[in-house]
Amino acid sequence: GAVVSQHPSWVICKSGTSVKIECRSLDFQATTMFWYRQFPKQSLMLMATSNEGSKATYEQGVEKDKFLINHASLTLSTLTVTSAHPEDSSFYICSASIGGPYNEQFFGPGTRLTVL
Amino acid sequence: AQSVTQLDSHVSVSEGTPVLLRCNYSSSYSPSLFWYVQHPNKGLQLLLKYTSAATLVKGINGFEAEFKKSETSFHLTKPSAHMSDAAEYFCVVRGYGQNFVFGPGTRLSVLP
Repeated sequence: GAVVSQHPSWVICKSGTSVKIECRSLDFQATTMFWYRQFPKQSLMLMATSNEGSKATYEQGVEKDKFLINHASLTLSTLTVTSAHPEDSSFYICSASIGGPYNEQFFGPGTRLTVL
Repeated sequence: AQSVTQLDSHVSVSEGTPVLLRCNYSSSYSPSLFWYVQHPNKGLQLLLKYTSAATLVKGINGFEAEFKKSETSFHLTKPSAHMSDAAEYFCVVRGYGQNFVFGPGTRLSVLP
């Protein structure tokens, strides 16, 4: 149980385009989902916390207009990287928690974004 | 405030020998502590977690960790390393009502 999927697993796009990444909880309802970013050989950095039906809470330094997060249902959250640039190339990982943001998090497999 | 220190960025052991990955934490609240493993280009897999029950926690794949409040440590150990253990390991702290804070990670190499 408690499986989280991400789609796509990898994506390559041109600079200036937008990319949408989906995060789904497959066998549970996730009231809270999280989006992390991981640069090569570095740790995970929390970008934002998203609660179903409300606006996401962004961490300091994360541009909310560039990284659009939508959490329209209890099983789906999306991250859209708008007007992507090469410096946005990274590994994006989502996680989901059951019953509230401070419970155990279950992580997706990640999405590798490369912006040319 | 919360923080996590993983004292070694890289640990190299021979197959069949013990593994020790060190983690020290700082938290203003009663913390929950986790160890996750990440294989290349993969997501994170939970190895074990401490949430104020037994201080010695047993996880998957033969790993265990001991919570020592007096030393603010949560070191990860395994008696005998296997080649498949080679990966990146993250120690994570979460104070009550707080978000996850990840350590910088320790890369474990296992030599044949």
